[in-house]
Amino acid sequence: DILMTQTPLSSPVTLGQSASISCRSSQSLLHSDGNTYLSWLQQRPGQPPRLLIYKISNRFSGVPDRFSGSGAGTDFTLKISRVEAEDVGIYYCMQGTQFPWTFGQGTKVDIK
Amino acid sequence: QVQLQESGPGLVKPSETLSLTCTVSGGSISNFYWSWIRQPPGKGLEWVAYFYHNEISTYNPSLESRVTISVDTSRNQFSLRLSSVTAADTAIYYCASVLFGANGFDYWGQGSLVTVSS
Repeated sequence: DILMTQTPLSSPVTLGQSASISCRSSQSLLHSDGNTYLSWLQQRPGQPPRLLIYKISNRFSGVPDRFSGSGAGTDFTLKISRVEAEDVGIYYCMQGTQFPWTFGQGTKVDIK
Repeated sequence: QVQLQESGPGLVKPSETLSLTCTVSGGSISNFYWSWIRQPPGKGLEWVAYFYHNEISTYNPSLESRVTISVDTSRNQFSLRLSSVTAADTAIYYCASVLFGANGFDYWGQGSLVTVSS
């Protein structure tokens, strides 16, 4: 199985400032079809997860442009610019390159 | 926009079979790929199964021997059965659609909490 490791596990951030979350996979997520199936999800308290980013850097429909994804191979980053109160929650990276699909352990973002 | 809703018993006894149904609205079940994902209370996410109609299915190897997926296109529903459950299977179970060509989960149900306890 591909192990997904996120850092930090907790990220207190000041409103209006930026937050970055790192996700590292135990092997390259580059698929033989040329795509890298790395996505990011947000889970607000008491809610199901919500897709933010797919294939490293593509924002899903309705996701604010404050959210951006980058990376390649085994190292990926989610950046939240100009953090707002509604961004509080747990953020997960997920790989869909190889079965079984696996998630990072989650990073909790809250407001200082 | 696709909407999903899980339903099923909230309490299952150890060694029995957990059964959940996901009802899809806003789109035909035949046009999408689907997954089940679960989340133990207060913990992270675990992918359970991926399938398309009754043609393609892939299960998490950690659960494969106990998982059965079925699809009812006439009702636009699909179901999860997990046999021989233990307390470790206590979780919120989510059904989700798979974003085509992206292998990510674009639409999720609200989740169904299943507790395994005698």
